[in-house]
Amino acid sequence: TQLLEQSPQFLSIQEGENLTVYCNSSSVFSSLQWYRQEPGEGPVLLVTVVTGGEVKKLKRLTFQFGDARKDSSLHITAAQPGDTGLYLCAGGTGGFKTIFGAGTRLFVKA
Amino acid sequence: GAGVSQSPSNKVTEKGKDVELRCDPISGHTALYWYRQSLGQGLEFLIYFQGNSAPDKSGLPSDRFSAERTGGSVSTLTIQRTQQEDSAVYLCASSLVYGYTEAFFGQGTRLTVV
Repeated sequence: TQLLEQSPQFLSIQEGENLTVYCNSSSVFSSLQWYRQEPGEGPVLLVTVVTGGEVKKLKRLTFQFGDARKDSSLHITAAQPGDTGLYLCAGGTGGFKTIFGAGTRLFVKA
Repeated sequence: GAGVSQSPSNKVTEKGKDVELRCDPISGHTALYWYRQSLGQGLEFLIYFQGNSAPDKSGLPSDRFSAERTGGSVSTLTIQRTQQEDSAVYLCASSLVYGYTEAFFGQGTRLTVV
């Protein structure tokens, strides 16, 4: 069974701090996505990474796909209250059955 | 439509009743997925459609759950004889073409079985 484990499960930080959340698996994925979900809403896609070692930046967010395409990290610089939400990673295997992790719930205090 | 639309937004039903949840995907998206999200949990895959076909139904929790898609567009997830453990947010997503794994989600239907 393919599993994606996300850590930490919960993170509460002050505005302006940096943080990194992780997404790990024993399986290889053809692509990996990061989503952010706010209360009462569906997840919204942030980025897709497809190449081992790939790094993508989205403003203050930096996403990295592991060389072996089994893990990924999301680093947020100078976190803001607007970054608060549930961050989900999802792995694609080339088919449709995207596997989701349980998420990291981030709370940024002003 | 501009985005994935789900209805109703909220549904409260009595244990033992049947419910239907509707998903209207982004126009032109051939793939449609249903997920379930329990409180504080990640997303649990239920079923996907490629066009009107559902090749993989292994994610459905029990035979009380069924789904169909007509005209390559709207999908309905039906839960028969609802149980309290069915309470969750049911999310629908769609993606453009076969094998394209980036999905766009609706806002979900929050189902509460009392």
